[in-house]
Amino acid sequence: AQKVTQAQTEISVVEKEDVTLDCVYETRDTTYYLFWYKQPPSGELVFLIRRNSFDEQNEISGRYSWNFQKSTSSFNFTITASQVVDSAVYFCALSEPRYNTDKLIFGTGTRLQVFP
Amino acid sequence: NAGVTQTPKFQVLKTGQSMTLQCAQDMNHEYMSWYRQDPGMGLRLIHYSVGAGITDQGEVPNGYNVSRSTTEDFPLRLLSAAPSQTSVYFCASSGPNGYGYTFGSGTRLTVV
Repeated sequence: AQKVTQAQTEISVVEKEDVTLDCVYETRDTTYYLFWYKQPPSGELVFLIRRNSFDEQNEISGRYSWNFQKSTSSFNFTITASQVVDSAVYFCALSEPRYNTDKLIFGTGTRLQVFP
Repeated sequence: NAGVTQTPKFQVLKTGQSMTLQCAQDMNHEYMSWYRQDPGMGLRLIHYSVGAGITDQGEVPNGYNVSRSTTEDFPLRLLSAAPSQTSVYFCASSGPNGYGYTFGSGTRLTVV
């Protein structure tokens, strides 16, 4: 069964701290896609990254980095030198294109609060 | 601007009323979906479509209807609103393999 687990419900840090958001997924497929979305207090869903199952390279984009490890079925997200603007709910999601549906299975989200 | 447009942004309904949430995209995406977001539960799939004329149920379809007569539009109908349908609704569209997966800005629905 497909499942995405974000065990951290809420994380609080002080500005400039590094923070890692955990994501563990379950799937039987060998081909799948993983996503991270940010939902700021304004409510919209902001796309951060899409990673396919065949690409295990870590990715860095500015202060954001992602660690994909198939051996542990994890796709963790690290924010370096956090800022108040990073305060949001972050969702990890999984899709399995095998059924040609592109449905996203979401985790329950991690609320990150960054204090000045 | 290209993207997914949802209307309305806010809506209050009385129990038993019906209404349609509108969703339109101009990216020529084949895949469109409706999700609802409830506190502590992430986003859950209501209905989805893989192309015009083709729809299917997601995880929480009860109380909702959809149709897809064109590639651009994917309306969500609440047949008889219930307080349990109070939620934030998101429409999304994507190309193949989740490419360009884009969400609308959401509709906050309250059923009293």
